[in-house]
Amino acid sequence: GEDVEQSLFLSVREGDSSVINCTYTDSSSTYLYWYKQEPGAGLQLLTYIFSNMDMKQDQRLTVLLNKKDKHLSLRIADTQTGDSAIYFCAESLSGGSYIPTFGRGTSLIVHP
Amino acid sequence: GAVVSQHPSRVICKSGTSVKIECRSLDFQATTMFWYRQFPKQSLMLMATSNEGSKATYEQGVEKDKFLINHASLTLSTLTVASAHPEDSSFYICSARAASGSQETQYFGPGTRLLVL
Repeated sequence: GEDVEQSLFLSVREGDSSVINCTYTDSSSTYLYWYKQEPGAGLQLLTYIFSNMDMKQDQRLTVLLNKKDKHLSLRIADTQTGDSAIYFCAESLSGGSYIPTFGRGTSLIVHP
Repeated sequence: GAVVSQHPSRVICKSGTSVKIECRSLDFQATTMFWYRQFPKQSLMLMATSNEGSKATYEQGVEKDKFLINHASLTLSTLTVASAHPEDSSFYICSARAASGSQETQYFGPGTRLLVL
């Protein structure tokens, strides 16, 4: 299987919370990232978490890490139509070059 | 924040021509730049890592004679797709890592859409 797995689609109503899930296989992953890609654009780093952390919150974004289950999630509170995009989960290792390995991305669709 | 630009944003060319894509770090020096390729509805595939002043390191399966990378300065890396063919059509994204600061983050360019007819 792939190193980083995500569900491909998520549809939510405007104002609701969105939760995007990701699983990874490498237990030695040091950093875990969430990137956002809008149509036809590059990737924007939203947030990242060091592997010794369980949670990180940044305004509407909450990242939860379950290292035992190798599960990462991104919660977007009060989801807006502008949040519609593809969200990529990625992992990287410290012993080397920190080059992230990306998942295939979750397409988030926010409808009124 | 750190800004990375790419030029051109979109290019259409005939089969057999070579196409050069530039990646620039606008407000920081980048010792390392990365080139990715993204297929529709797919993840980013790392093609190569380039360090300023040295040869690029290519990922397995990426032809270095096809995808020529030059990291001429701390703010500029170029990817040249030599003798492009329709199967080279894709979205190419570069990223850059700052010479100073945290090594675990990269800043991505907006991408270049290449269409080879």
